Amino acid sequence: AQSVTQLGSHVSVSEGALVLLRCNYSSSVPPYLFWYVQYPNQGLQLLLKYTSAATLVKGINGFEAEFKKSETSFHLTKPSAHMSDAAEYFCAVSVRGGSNYKLTFGKGTLLTVNP
Amino acid sequence: SQTIHQWPATLVQPVGSPLSLECTVEGTSNPNLYWYRQAAGRGLQLLFYSVGIGQISSEVPQNLSASRPQDRQFILSSKKLLLSDSGFYLCAWRPSFGLAGGETQYFGPGTRLLVL
Repeated sequence: AQSVTQLGSHVSVSEGALVLLRCNYSSSVPPYLFWYVQYPNQGLQLLLKYTSAATLVKGINGFEAEFKKSETSFHLTKPSAHMSDAAEYFCAVSVRGGSNYKLTFGKGTLLTVNP
Repeated sequence: SQTIHQWPATLVQPVGSPLSLECTVEGTSNPNLYWYRQAAGRGLQLLFYSVGIGQISSEVPQNLSASRPQDRQFILSSKKLLLSDSGFYLCAWRPSFGLAGGETQYFGPGTRLLVL
């Protein structure tokens, strides 16, 4: 079975500072990895995904994540935080099971951006 | 392009009343469909998924049921709501197995349910 651990349920940064949200996964087979963002009272929006191509994945809104197999990590970064980045971020792992893909989420990290 | 709709956006219901939440997808055929619940501080919980019309798999035994009467329609129901059913309900879809991008789920805008 797969699992996801997001380190830090709440991260606070200043506007213009580096954003680093940590995600570690566990999977017995090669996984697909995702980051989703959720703004208040909205659904989840796909930020980026890793599907076994390039290990450095670029997503929307200036975010990127690097897949590191040796560290079983998929940390999300953005060089310079913007006020509009304040939201909850979910890391997820998807593993094929028969004809289905099971998506397992971390518990989420709430990002606060201070002016 | 594909879009996913959920309604209603917000619902306040008394304990013991019935529930029907609807999810529809446009711009694709034979999608796999999912219902999740997001309760405060508890992350996302998969409730049901469906790979085709009339085919429902339940992940967690509870007070809810799901149905898929049409290819792109997924309904979440309850005969009698409990206080614990309160939460944010999200519908998601992904391309059917074997198609490009089949590993990726896309989420709807959600329905906020408050049971009083």
